[in-house]
Amino acid sequence: AQSVAQPEDQVNVAEGNPLTVKCTYSVSGNPYLFWYVQYPNRGLQFLLKYITGDNLVKGSYGFEAEFNKSQTSFHLKKPSALVSDSALYFCAVRVYGGSQGNLIFGKGTKLSVKP
Amino acid sequence: EPEVTQTPSHQVTQMGQEVILRCVPISNHLYFYWYRQILGQKVEFLVSFYNNEISEKSEIFDDQFSVERPDGSNFTLKIRSTKLEDSAMYFCASSANNEKLFFGSGTQLSVL
Repeated sequence: AQSVAQPEDQVNVAEGNPLTVKCTYSVSGNPYLFWYVQYPNRGLQFLLKYITGDNLVKGSYGFEAEFNKSQTSFHLKKPSALVSDSALYFCAVRVYGGSQGNLIFGKGTKLSVKP
Repeated sequence: EPEVTQTPSHQVTQMGQEVILRCVPISNHLYFYWYRQILGQKVEFLVSFYNNEISEKSEIFDDQFSVERPDGSNFTLKIRSTKLEDSAMYFCASSANNEKLFFGSGTQLSVL
């Protein structure tokens, strides 16, 4: 079965420190991988995607993610966290053979950045 | 940045009643979606819609659910006879042909 796992319910980081939000996946075939962020009372916002090509993907707001095929991981990273990065982060994978937008989401990781 | 708008933000209904959730996707987008999130659970795909027809639907999207694009701007989700377990946050999303989805803020549906 295809799935996405986000092993951490919450990640706490001090402002200015690097952050990592973890994601692993299980999918048939080559994965299409995504990160979305949700701020309070807002819809999910696209951060970045990996379809093919360079394993290091750069996205919005200074975020990047590294695709690691051998570890089936797609961790989200940022070199220097901001308080405004505090939000709920979702990893997602497109269902293999499915249409665009047919995504399986992880349960989300709450990122808390303290000043 | 353009936004997907959803109305209402909250909807309370009695079990067995019909509800229609409304969405205005981004104007030049061609692909439309509904997702839902039951409290404490994952965001789940319901249906995708392209070229005025359903392109894919999940097991959740049974005969009680339907979608429609009645005019050039709105995209609706109808639940014909609501059940208690339909209580959830429903998200509409739209995209161009680039795998990047834009989500609305959601409609919180409470079935009593």
